[in-house]
Amino acid sequence: GQNIDQPTEMTATEGAIVQINCTYQTSGFNGLFWYQQHAGEAPTFLSYNVLDGLEEKGRFSSFLSRSKGYSYLLLKELQMKDSASYLCAVTEQAGTALIFGKGTTLSVSS
Amino acid sequence: GAVVSQHPSWVICKSGTSVKIECRSLDFQATTMFWYRQFPKQSLMLMATSNEGSKATYEQGVEKDKFLINHASLTLSTLTVTSAHPEDSSFYICSARARTATGELFFGEGSRLTVL
Repeated sequence: GQNIDQPTEMTATEGAIVQINCTYQTSGFNGLFWYQQHAGEAPTFLSYNVLDGLEEKGRFSSFLSRSKGYSYLLLKELQMKDSASYLCAVTEQAGTALIFGKGTTLSVSS
Repeated sequence: GAVVSQHPSWVICKSGTSVKIECRSLDFQATTMFWYRQFPKQSLMLMATSNEGSKATYEQGVEKDKFLINHASLTLSTLTVTSAHPEDSSFYICSARARTATGELFFGEGSRLTVL
């Protein structure tokens, strides 16, 4: 079976750091993706991990541990515009669709 | 970057009618496109995989006779919701994978369907 878990909601303040966790159990693994989705809009790509370790891209970083079936998305220097839903997704085989978690709604306040 | 365009963005229809949603890859060829559905405050659920020149592959629980998918060219896939009912009201999003190093999916803008 497939199961991707992430917290439903998180809150943080401007300028802070927030970590959104994701655990997954899938029959195969060919990469983990993080997407950002604002209400009523399509998801936009944030990061990709296929090997263990940390990938850093500006204010956003993503970490993967394949042995633990665990990933996190780290957002630094939070801004109000970072208020959105963050989706963790896994692809089981190359070329196949992404399987999405339910998303974490992040609210950033001033 | 790769661009996927979806049309229409919004559509309102009467119960029992059919609605067609188009998904185009604008600057790359997509042999495979994916159709997702998203209900309010829920995540994206894969409906079907659209394969150019062949039949689509539907996920369990998705009625292939109700959600008709056609992928006649390398840049166009269409989803037709037939005999729509209010419970079909949802956000439908198509996606495609361009030849990038990460293989991420690029998403269309989404189509919000409201069935009255």
